[in-house]
Amino acid sequence: DAKTTQPPSMDCAEGRAANLPCNHSTISGNEYVYWYRQIHSQGPQYIIHGLKNNETNEMASLIITEDRKSSTLILPHATLRDTAVYYCIVREVDNYGQNFVFGPGTRLSVLP
Amino acid sequence: DTGVSQDPRHKITKRGQNVTFRCDPISEHNRLYWYRQTLGQGPEFLTYFQNEAQLEKSRLLSDRFSAERPKGSFSTLEIQRTEQGDSAMYLCASSLQGMTEAFFGQGTRLTVV
Repeated sequence: DAKTTQPPSMDCAEGRAANLPCNHSTISGNEYVYWYRQIHSQGPQYIIHGLKNNETNEMASLIITEDRKSSTLILPHATLRDTAVYYCIVREVDNYGQNFVFGPGTRLSVLP
Repeated sequence: DTGVSQDPRHKITKRGQNVTFRCDPISEHNRLYWYRQTLGQGPEFLTYFQNEAQLEKSRLLSDRFSAERPKGSFSTLEIQRTEQGDSAMYLCASSLQGMTEAFFGQGTRLTVV
């Protein structure tokens, strides 16, 4: 079973920041937080991951709380092409190829 | 190399027929995963290879399903005696040992009629 809880859906206005929350209250010390997204009829796309510190790349920022029990994915300037299902996943540091366990995710709709 | 490649993209088959899907991972990625996704759900893990060794199988992988990765490069997933419940998107992903993220292909959409 997925170790994360996400709201089933969110809306965001185009050009505004999209903040997608994720709860992972049972996360252990050697587990990363990953975010993937899936645009309709395509395979999941890797966005970002982090362990303790906040992370930023060209796609998004990941803010992890100090106790690591929750995180927020931030898309700073959402566009219509960011409409997708966003999955938050926790997974151990990869020494043994542990698989990714997906929950139902958050369906983000970016509105014009 | 442009990413994980899956073939075919779409497959329609009659109930009871056998089908085989192929996945070509990113070059030099030694780990390969198969997932299944039904409408409205997140992907569900089926099986995982490290090189040619199949290291983990989900209980979802019934005895009608078999996966191979004979030379540690491409992989095939075969479903025998297909059932309507097998209709789903079958996704393949690959990663490199020591790399934390995995990269997914576009999937094969199977429809069993």
